[in-house]
Amino acid sequence: DIQLTQSPSFLSASVGDRVTITCRASQGISSYLAWYQQKPGKAPKLLIYAASTLQSGVPSRFSGSGSGTEFTLTISSLQPEDFATYYCQQLNSYPRGFGPGTKVDIK
Amino acid sequence: EVQLVQSGAEVKKPGATVKISCKVSGYTFTDYYMHWVQQAPGKGLEWMGLVDPEDGETIYAEKFQGRVTITADTSTDTAYMELSSLRSEDTAVYYCATVFESGAFDIWGQGTMVTVSS
Repeated sequence: DIQLTQSPSFLSASVGDRVTITCRASQGISSYLAWYQQKPGKAPKLLIYAASTLQSGVPSRFSGSGSGTEFTLTISSLQPEDFATYYCQQLNSYPRGFGPGTKVDIK
Repeated sequence: EVQLVQSGAEVKKPGATVKISCKVSGYTFTDYYMHWVQQAPGKGLEWMGLVDPEDGETIYAEKFQGRVTITADTSTDTAYMELSSLRSEDTAVYYCATVFESGAFDIWGQGTMVTVSS
């Protein structure tokens, strides 16, 4: 199975900050990676798929990059509604595993 | 509007079986795989498995193999996830999700809370 790790696991930031989250895969997954945002009590929301494609309706301050084994999610200017937990997921093979998550909190 | 609507919360005793439903609307049910994801309280997301509603074929995560059964009823456009031999560690929110237009899980159900307690 492909294992995903995320760093950091917790991030404290201020409104307006540029935030970067990294996801690493235990083996190459080409660009078969997605990013989700989850707020308490809500279902995850797709932000980015195919490593760098912005899902329809998602603000352009979110961007994704990477391929192979290393990927990043960047929020260019953190907004109050962005405080949440972020997960990566690989869609290269089964099982469709998720990373452990990165919680973005208010500084 | 594309929607996945799940059944309500359940409380079960250890050793029991739970069956959760996920009703599809807004698209052709048989065109897209249905996935199920577990999230224990305060924990991350764990992929459980999927069903192809077209032919009923399934793929399960090893962790749940033998205890999970995912099915699809094309007469009602509803997918089901059944988890047996419940234990306290199965207390979680369970989500159905599908890959509709993108290459990832872009449509999610609202989640179903399952509590396992004696």
